[in-house]
Amino acid sequence: GAGVSQSPRYKVAKRGQDVALRCDPISGHVSLFWYQQALGQGPEFLTYFQNEAQLDKSGLPSDRFFAERPEGSVSTLKIQRTQQEDSAVYLCASGVWVNQETQYFGPGTRLLVL
Amino acid sequence: DQQVKQNSPSLSVQEGRISILNCDYTNSMFDYFLWYKKYPAEGPTFLISISSIKDKNEDGRFTVFLNKSAKHLSLHIVPSQPGDSAVYFCAASDNNDMRFGAGTRLTVKP
Repeated sequence: GAGVSQSPRYKVAKRGQDVALRCDPISGHVSLFWYQQALGQGPEFLTYFQNEAQLDKSGLPSDRFFAERPEGSVSTLKIQRTQQEDSAVYLCASGVWVNQETQYFGPGTRLLVL
Repeated sequence: DQQVKQNSPSLSVQEGRISILNCDYTNSMFDYFLWYKKYPAEGPTFLISISSIKDKNEDGRFTVFLNKSAKHLSLHIVPSQPGDSAVYFCAASDNNDMRFGAGTRLTVKP
């Protein structure tokens, strides 16, 4: 079956531009996570959804970052007024439930802010 | 603060030999530990995990060891194969969130 998909795979933005990154989780998966992975680093937690409820957004680095999952399936991570330090790979993962073992990652969106 | 550390950014081993990847953590509240494998341009793939109530978990060529008193875990791959060449991330969870190490790039030479 289809895995987690993310779009776009690559995004180049000018500083100050707004971007929207999409995640299509595995169908039926309840939990959805967003991570930010800087070059040479491991993924860092941004936010977590259980169905449409955003249960944890403690990892979002600033109020320029906003995530939603209005119908409990597709999720969008929006970054307003992008800055160069936002350049990273943004990974989405989904899971059957809240068990961390069953997180399945998408390929990521590589964002470059010029 | 780096709660999960992988101090070796890279490791190179010969095919057929053992690969040992190490990971240290600082938060004693972590109760579940995972290893992920990542190929270029792909997301991390779950490899093996261990609960804090165990000290060893084995799955085929992969074994994870946990030393709670030392806050240390390791992944052993034996025998190593060229297809194992990838970046390996250690992760630790306390059921609220998951923290990743920076990764170790393993290269298995034929």
